[in-house]
Amino acid sequence: KAGVTQTPRYLIKTRGQQVTLSCSPISGHRSVSWYQQTPGQGLQFLFEYFSETQRNKGNFPGRFSGRQFSNSRSEMNVSTLELGDSALYLCASSFSGTGDTGELFFGEGSRLTVL
Amino acid sequence: DQQVKQNSPSLSVQEGRISILNCDYTNSMFDYFLWYKKYPAEGPTFLISISSIKDKNEDGRFTVFLNKSAKHLSLHIVPSQPGDSAVYFCAASPNNAGNMLTFGGGTRLMVKP
Repeated sequence: KAGVTQTPRYLIKTRGQQVTLSCSPISGHRSVSWYQQTPGQGLQFLFEYFSETQRNKGNFPGRFSGRQFSNSRSEMNVSTLELGDSALYLCASSFSGTGDTGELFFGEGSRLTVL
Repeated sequence: DQQVKQNSPSLSVQEGRISILNCDYTNSMFDYFLWYKKYPAEGPTFLISISSIKDKNEDGRFTVFLNKSAKHLSLHIVPSQPGDSAVYFCAASPNNAGNMLTFGGGTRLMVKP
């Protein structure tokens, strides 16, 4: 069974640009969550999508957005990039039947560097 | 305001001995508590979890203990093996948003042969 796939794995952008990251969840998983990992702030929840709808949202500015497609694949977008957006962006999926318990399957992440 | 804290950034243990990783939380709305393990260049991997209605959950060499009154949980690994060397993250989720995890800062465990 294929795991969670994130693309691209590495990318470099400059301040003010925008970036789109992609995530393909495990087949059959309907929930996709995004997390940001930085040395200073650790792992922080960005948002969760379920059945193409944003179900939960973390405390990030509106420059961070996402969407989910009918095949459960998800993208996240960061506009007007700032130096502080440099981070590892992790996608995680779960089947999300009744009673989500936080048991997520994570991808390897997309490492974004903003210059 | 860190709602989930792991006060020990690193821990070194001899192979075969017990590893104890600790975690404290402040939000009483947390309903599930989880431990994830992370190797370099990989995403976190789910290890074990515990519901707030329990005080202990065991899975092979791994046991998680929850003390709700103290808002404290711990992960015990017995016996520790060199392959257990990784960063361990404690995480918690609220009772109405199970996949919205709040993570601790992580503890780097080194198991020496």
